[in-house]
Amino acid sequence: DIQMTQSPSSLSASVGDRVTITCRASQGISNSLAWYQQKPGKAPKLLLYAASRLESGVPSRFSGSGSGTDYTLTISSLQPEDFATYYCQQYYSTLPLTFGGGTKVEIK
Amino acid sequence: EVQLLESGGGLVQPGGSLRLSCAASGFTFSSYAMSWVRQAPGKGLEWVSAISGSGGSTYYADSVKGRFTISRDNSKNTLYLQMNSLRAEDTAVYYCAKDGLGAVAGTHPHYFDYWGQGTLVTVSS
Repeated sequence: DIQMTQSPSSLSASVGDRVTITCRASQGISNSLAWYQQKPGKAPKLLLYAASRLESGVPSRFSGSGSGTDYTLTISSLQPEDFATYYCQQYYSTLPLTFGGGTKVEIK
Repeated sequence: EVQLLESGGGLVQPGGSLRLSCAASGFTFSSYAMSWVRQAPGKGLEWVSAISGSGGSTYYADSVKGRFTISRDNSKNTLYLQMNSLRAEDTAVYYCAKDGLGAVAGTHPHYFDYWGQGTLVTVSS
């Protein structure tokens, strides 16, 4: 199985801050990576796929980058509605699909 | 508008069975693989199972293989998950999720562009 390691597991930030979350795969996944946002009691919401492609309707302050085993989600200017938990997920050819452990973004 | 509506969750004793359903609308159901993803209370996301658009290919996580069966009825736009021999560690919110890529991308599941609201399964005596 491909293990996905997210860091940090939690962070505190202020509105307007630039936030970066990292996801590392246990083997190369050729940009087969998605990012989701989940708010308490709600289903996850797709933010990006193919590592850097923004899902329709997602604000442009969200961006993704990376290659090989290392990937990054960046929120350029944190907004009040962005406080949530974020997950990465690999969908490289080998099953099972696997998720990172999550990063909780809290208000400082 | 794409909608996914799960049902069938509830309280079941260890060793018992439950069948979840997911009614889909707003897209050509048979053209997309579908998955079940679960989330134990206070924990992260775990992919459970997937099925191709035609229903001809199915995939399972090792943790549920041999106990859970995924199926679909394309005439009813409905996805199912039959869960047998349930264990306490199966307690979770179960989400159905639509694959973000269509059938041209193959039968293998990818990422998920739409999710249902989830249905809670509690396994306890």
